[in-house]
Amino acid sequence: DVKVTQSSRYLVKRTGEKVFLECVQDMDHENMFWYRQDPGLGLRLIYFSYDVKMKEKGDIPEGYSVSREKKERFSLILESASTNQTSMYLCASSDGGTPSTDTQYFGPGTRLTVL
Amino acid sequence: SQKIEQNSEALNIQEGKTATLTCNYTNYSPAYLQWYRQDPGRGPVFLLLIRENEKEKRKERLKVTFDTTLKQSLFHITASQPADSATYLCALVSTSGTYKYIFGTGTRLKVLA
Repeated sequence: DVKVTQSSRYLVKRTGEKVFLECVQDMDHENMFWYRQDPGLGLRLIYFSYDVKMKEKGDIPEGYSVSREKKERFSLILESASTNQTSMYLCASSDGGTPSTDTQYFGPGTRLTVL
Repeated sequence: SQKIEQNSEALNIQEGKTATLTCNYTNYSPAYLQWYRQDPGRGPVFLLLIRENEKEKRKERLKVTFDTTLKQSLFHITASQPADSATYLCALVSTSGTYKYIFGTGTRLKVLA
């Protein structure tokens, strides 16, 4: 089974801090994604990556950056955390193949609170 | 703009009945559509995928339909059980141009014993 792990389940940070959220997948998937999930707004795509060192902006990239130095690892960086970035952050991966295989596998999520 | 709508109100049904959840979309031509289940405090888990040229897909007690004319997908759970209680998300995927996933906000289902 595909396993996607995230570095923390719960995180509390202060406004202005630099925050790193780490995601690792163990199935050699090409694609990796970072979403945030807020009540009433659903899942919103922040960034995604097709390959190592490649990244594409999603729908809400402002205030975030990402890094993919190795295929299995995709990091989300909050350069200067703000209270409106308090949210549930979900990482996902997919193999990017045919539609029958290109499902997204999600990690357990990191609930980030910015004070 | 592209929009995907799921009934934001919770759906309560009695055990044993069929639950039907709706996913409507506008201004979008998806190549395929997926349904996911999400339990509280966890990430979504993939359930079923249906392509634009398929009318219906089944998996055990689950059935998905896809009507590209109505721009609607229906997700059915037959013989529902309390363990089916969760939030169900639909996701539209376009493979033309920029690879694009759009998730709905989800519908919370509660199956009453």
